[in-house]
Amino acid sequence: QVQLVQSGSELKTPGASVKVSCKASGYIFTNNGLSWVRQAPGQGLEWMGWINTATGNPTYAQGFAGRFVFSLDTSVSTAHLQISSLKADDTAVYYCVRELRSGYLSSCAYWGQGTPVTVSS
Amino acid sequence: QAVLTQPPSVSAAPGQKVTISCSGTNSNIGNNFVSWWQQFPGTAPKFLIFENDKRGSGIPDRFSGSKSGTSATLGITGLQTGDEADYYCGTWDSSLSAVVFGGGTKLTVL
Repeated sequence: QVQLVQSGSELKTPGASVKVSCKASGYIFTNNGLSWVRQAPGQGLEWMGWINTATGNPTYAQGFAGRFVFSLDTSVSTAHLQISSLKADDTAVYYCVRELRSGYLSSCAYWGQGTPVTVSS
Repeated sequence: QAVLTQPPSVSAAPGQKVTISCSGTNSNIGNNFVSWWQQFPGTAPKFLIFENDKRGSGIPDRFSGSKSGTSATLGITGLQTGDEADYYCGTWDSSLSAVVFGGGTKLTVL
């Protein structure tokens, strides 16, 4: 079965960087795109963009270009989200999400367990 | 500010039916499939509905989805206390080239 297992919670100070990982299993990693979704405390879901796991090409949603970087290590079926120059309002749970089938990004069918990132001095 | 509009909260008694609306525009709901997710506090969203009205694997038929024009609706019948959760709609927005979500609806089963 499809599984997405994310790295553990992070506590960072403002200005630092963080790298969140998402290890996929149960399917051929390069067959489906992976999105990243942010959920700030008490707030709704926000799509950050996605990465084409076949080509490594990332696409960032408005507001997520620059400090946010999606990357892959296909040798271990793992996607990464790196956030630099962290700010307090980056505090959120970050989810990696797989589409139901290729080309259907908005299906958001399979979710990692989420990685809480707290930015505080 | 979410792109899709959902009511902040709905409530109904156990055993009753509830509907949750999701309103958008022609650039999103009007021309793309709608999905729905259920989220309990402290957990990841769970996939409920895709392609407007198809249930995800293992989702009971108490949950249903529909779409008309630029609006979509999630229906839940035979409400149980275990259905108390936040519910989100989402779809692709062709103008934004992005997945967009509703702000979420908190369901209370009284």
